[in-house]
Amino acid sequence: GAVVSQHPSWVICKSGTSVKIECRSLDFQATTMFWYRQFPKQSLMLMATSNEGSKATYEQGVEKDKFLINHASLTLSTLTVTSAHPEDSSFYICSAPTSGNTIYFGEGSWLTVV
Amino acid sequence: KQEVTQIPAALSVPEGENLVLNCSFTDSAIYNLQWFRQDPGKGLTSLLLIQSSQREQTSGRLNASLDKSSGRSTLYIAASQPGDSATYLCAVTGAGSYQLTFGKGTKLSVIP
Repeated sequence: GAVVSQHPSWVICKSGTSVKIECRSLDFQATTMFWYRQFPKQSLMLMATSNEGSKATYEQGVEKDKFLINHASLTLSTLTVTSAHPEDSSFYICSAPTSGNTIYFGEGSWLTVV
Repeated sequence: KQEVTQIPAALSVPEGENLVLNCSFTDSAIYNLQWFRQDPGKGLTSLLLIQSSQREQTSGRLNASLDKSSGRSTLYIAASQPGDSATYLCAVTGAGSYQLTFGKGTKLSVIP
């Protein structure tokens, strides 16, 4: 069945560095993918909508220059957290809808910035 | 703006009990509603999806209901087991969109 793979599952990086998270649709094409973030004891919040071949759409309050999204192919979207700081430590998860309108989620990525 | 609220925030029950988790949403113009399970340190597992035209969905010991007009959904878990311990998330999709709006979840602990 359709699967969305997210990598890495866990990442620790130093403050000031950048980290890239990948989201892949394994057996279907996804022209749109979504990136969510979840802080402890909070809801999953939509950060941005990733569109293949065009610019991502960011939700209010999400810095586009800090959270770079690239959707260069129909099966891959990447989220790069640039100049990461401890307050960026969070759970990041992507999702992708299939042509049949089923939405699949990746396994999520835990980012810790030290 | 859609808001999703889940009550209670946490629930602890002895093994074998039946239980109900509640979800409410402010905008009834939804496309569907989903219940997810999230285990500590893990991603999301989709449990049940109810289309806006449906009233309920069942899967094994789980039954989810939807009252779109009142903006409410419940997740019923029968004969709870320690393995059911997790955080349960409710999420709605707006009409014409694939974006999900999530509640904060209910953390369930089933005590052996």
